[in-house]
Amino acid sequence: GNSVTQMEGPVTLSEEAFLTINCTYTATGYPSLFWYVQYPGEGLQLLLKATKADDKGSNKGFEATYRKETTSFHLEKGSVQVSDSAVYFCALSAPDSSYKLIFGSGTRLLVRP
Amino acid sequence: DAGVIQSPRHEVTEMGQEVTLRCKPISGHDYLFWYRQTMMRGLELLIYFNNNVPIDDSGMPEDRFSAKMPNASFSTLKIQPSEPRDSAVYFCASSSTHRVPWSSGNTIYFGEGSWLTVV
Repeated sequence: GNSVTQMEGPVTLSEEAFLTINCTYTATGYPSLFWYVQYPGEGLQLLLKATKADDKGSNKGFEATYRKETTSFHLEKGSVQVSDSAVYFCALSAPDSSYKLIFGSGTRLLVRP
Repeated sequence: DAGVIQSPRHEVTEMGQEVTLRCKPISGHDYLFWYRQTMMRGLELLIYFNNNVPIDDSGMPEDRFSAKMPNASFSTLKIQPSEPRDSAVYFCASSSTHRVPWSSGNTIYFGEGSWLTVV
């Protein structure tokens, strides 16, 4: 079945460091891929998405490229801020799973000043 | 624009009591989802509706859980009787279909969650 695997956290970085959070997926067909972010005490918010191979989603300085050959959608940011501290979820949506968003387990990011 | 609205935001209840969580989806959205988030199990899809009709409830943990969507602007998730292991954050989310849904990667919008504690 379809699934998403994320790197385990927590990831602890200093402010202005480079961020990578790995995400790989297993799916039949051509899924759409998403990154959601959950700030402390809040619900999930869509951060970015990509709907086909080689698409790059970007938002708020974050980027992720849909790599079909490696079945990956790694999240990157060149310079993190303390305000980026949150839990990040990779997710996919595929035709054979109807409208179910399948989430990874989440990666907690802690950015220190 | 108003997002997905959930109530209550926080609830503490005693074991055995009935709990009702409420959700108002974004106007015009025809899909509604209920998710549960716990430390142990992460995010789980409990049930989802399309045009007010339950499509897949395979994630509902057991008969103590039930969900309804009487109209396009309102849904409830009920737990009766509640147990301490039901303590979690329950999220409602909504989405709209497109003419060719899979080509556009429909975005699902989440509410802020209902934080349930059963003691």
